[in-house]
Amino acid sequence: EIVLTQSPGTLSLSPGERATLSCRASQSVPSSYLAWYQQKPGQTPRLLIYGASSRATGIPDRFSGSGSGTDFTLTISRLEPEDFAVYYCQQYGASPPLFTFGPGTKIDIK
Amino acid sequence: QVQLVESGGGVVQPGRSLRLSCAASGFTFSDFVMHWVRQAPGKGLAWVAVISYDGSHKYYVDSVKGRFTISRDNSKNTLYLQMNSLTTEDTAVYYCVKGPPEQRLVRWGYYGMDVWGQGTTVTVSS
Repeated sequence: EIVLTQSPGTLSLSPGERATLSCRASQSVPSSYLAWYQQKPGQTPRLLIYGASSRATGIPDRFSGSGSGTDFTLTISRLEPEDFAVYYCQQYGASPPLFTFGPGTKIDIK
Repeated sequence: QVQLVESGGGVVQPGRSLRLSCAASGFTFSDFVMHWVRQAPGKGLAWVAVISYDGSHKYYVDSVKGRFTISRDNSKNTLYLQMNSLTTEDTAVYYCVKGPPEQRLVRWGYYGMDVWGQGTTVTVSS
């Protein structure tokens, strides 16, 4: 079973700053199977990125995903007030089918 | 628009059962893989189960195997989660989540989980 580790646990930044979030897998993950989600307090999760680097419908271009193998990154180029939230990475293992979420990274206002 | 509406949550004693439902609308339900994902109070997201577009393939996280059953009724555009032998560890908000329109298992991880319901709360307590 692949375990996802996200770092840092909490990121304290100011609006306008760049955020770089890391997701590390215990084994290699096909890029096609790596996704990122945002969850604001009291809200449901929202798909941001799928296939490691493709933005989901309606996601602003300040969000970008990259990486391969065991190391993946979500970058928010310039933080907007609405971006302060928890971000989760998620991977899929096909044999047997198993979906795993990372523990999350919280971005809070510095 | 695409919508998922869960129901069936509540407070239940340990060892008892509960059935969650999820009514889907705004898309061709029978074409899509569907999931249940849960979130314990103050904790992160945890995938629970997945079902193929036609209900023929079902997979679970180890912690619920043998206790939970995912199913669907494509004629009613509804997803279900039958939860038996509940424990306090099952206390969580349960989300119904739409997956990709993929029949091939190897492609189930493509495109992420793109639509989430509002969730229904399950509290297991004596």
